[in-house]
Amino acid sequence: GENVEQHPSTLSVQEGDSAVIKCTYSDSASNYFPWYKQELGKRPQLIIDIRSNVGEKKDQRIAVTLNKTAKHFSLHITETQPEDSAVYFCAASIRGSARQLTFGSGTQLTVLP
Amino acid sequence: KAGVTQTPRYLIKTRGQQVTLSCSPISGHRSVSWYQQTPGQGLQFLFEYFSETQRNKGNFPGRFSGRQFSNSRSEMNVSTLELGDSALYLCASSIEAGAYNEQFFGPGTRLTVL
Repeated sequence: GENVEQHPSTLSVQEGDSAVIKCTYSDSASNYFPWYKQELGKRPQLIIDIRSNVGEKKDQRIAVTLNKTAKHFSLHITETQPEDSAVYFCAASIRGSARQLTFGSGTQLTVLP
Repeated sequence: KAGVTQTPRYLIKTRGQQVTLSCSPISGHRSVSWYQQTPGQGLQFLFEYFSETQRNKGNFPGRFSGRQFSNSRSEMNVSTLELGDSALYLCASSIEAGAYNEQFFGPGTRLTVL
């Protein structure tokens, strides 16, 4: 089955700096890669996603890149703010379905003021 | 439009008991997926329902089951509870069965097994 590895598990950055979280996946059939943000005690919320036919997608301070050949994708957050502090999960679709996701283990991002 | 709702939000059970969790998707959404979240295993896919049919199942024992009703509401059941079943159970709904439809998560049900 699909396996998603996520690094680093914890990340601390100064406010205003950039943060990068990386994930690798194993199933070449995966074609949908969402990123979720989960604040303490709250539900995961989609922040950005990318499909396998796209190499990069950007939404304001957040961007995701995908390298299908190497089977890895990354989340980039620029100009980080304290409210960006949360756990971030990457995910990959199982058997090509966006409704069945394999998640990475999560990255606790802390933005220091 | 109201978001995904789950009931109950918290549940305490003892080993050997069974439990039923409920999920109401966003109005108009026909797909409901269930996930288990634990500190050790992270977020793991349990199963997905679309139009009252289970489409796929994750790698969980048969004690975990579910169903979906004609109004798209879904329930999951865990029988013969074990300590390791303590977790946050999340459901997520999406509008249809397309390949890229975004999933919207509910707040979860926190199950504690004593």
